[in-house]
Amino acid sequence: GAGVSQSPRYKVAKRGQDVALRCDPISGHVSLFWYQQALGQGPEFLTYFQNEAQLDKSGLPSDRFFAERPEGSVSTLKIQRTQQEDSAVYLCASSLERLAGGEQFFGPGTRLTVL
Amino acid sequence: SQELEQSPQSLIVQEGKNLTINCTSSKTLYGLYWYKQKYGEGLIFLMMLQKGGEEKSHEKITAKLDEKKQQSSLHITASQPSHAGIYLCGADKKMQGAQKLVFGQGTRLTINP
Repeated sequence: GAGVSQSPRYKVAKRGQDVALRCDPISGHVSLFWYQQALGQGPEFLTYFQNEAQLDKSGLPSDRFFAERPEGSVSTLKIQRTQQEDSAVYLCASSLERLAGGEQFFGPGTRLTVL
Repeated sequence: SQELEQSPQSLIVQEGKNLTINCTSSKTLYGLYWYKQKYGEGLIFLMMLQKGGEEKSHEKITAKLDEKKQQSSLHITASQPSHAGIYLCGADKKMQGAQKLVFGQGTRLTINP
């Protein structure tokens, strides 16, 4: 595809439900990032993949958050037992570069609302 | 950890007026990115600055990185309704050969016709 796509675009979950958010990066992009953006705030880093390897997950807020990219392309961010504080926009970005200095291309995000 | 402060947090200007948004870092910036975000959409890359004193322009938007590499400004000349949105600065935080971005809180720009 032409850009980074994410699905679903909107997700409403009841507290305690598990959710899975999908990211399709630009074809051939090595690096993939997940960010969480709370209302009125800038995005905050969650985790980073280089191909299929998860090299940094320091931003994941709890062990309820899990991300994978098994074949080095599509990535899934899973949140177990969702809580109200998980409500946010989850942004995925990909970059062609492995090294620093590469521009990150962002998807439209998934807006998660936990009731 | 590196923090980015943007000012102002929100800005309302008359169409046709010039405006400036600032981004200040607590640490030296090795790469500074400006993105624009519209409600419900992802971030659109505007410009990247790496060298102290660097200045880049695209259409009516100019971004600068100061010599000490701790502050950047984004200047819009003759603003138009299409410039409305949230402007975010992001700093390159290197780890293991690639970067993750640390963002400011954003500046919400409204253009009044």
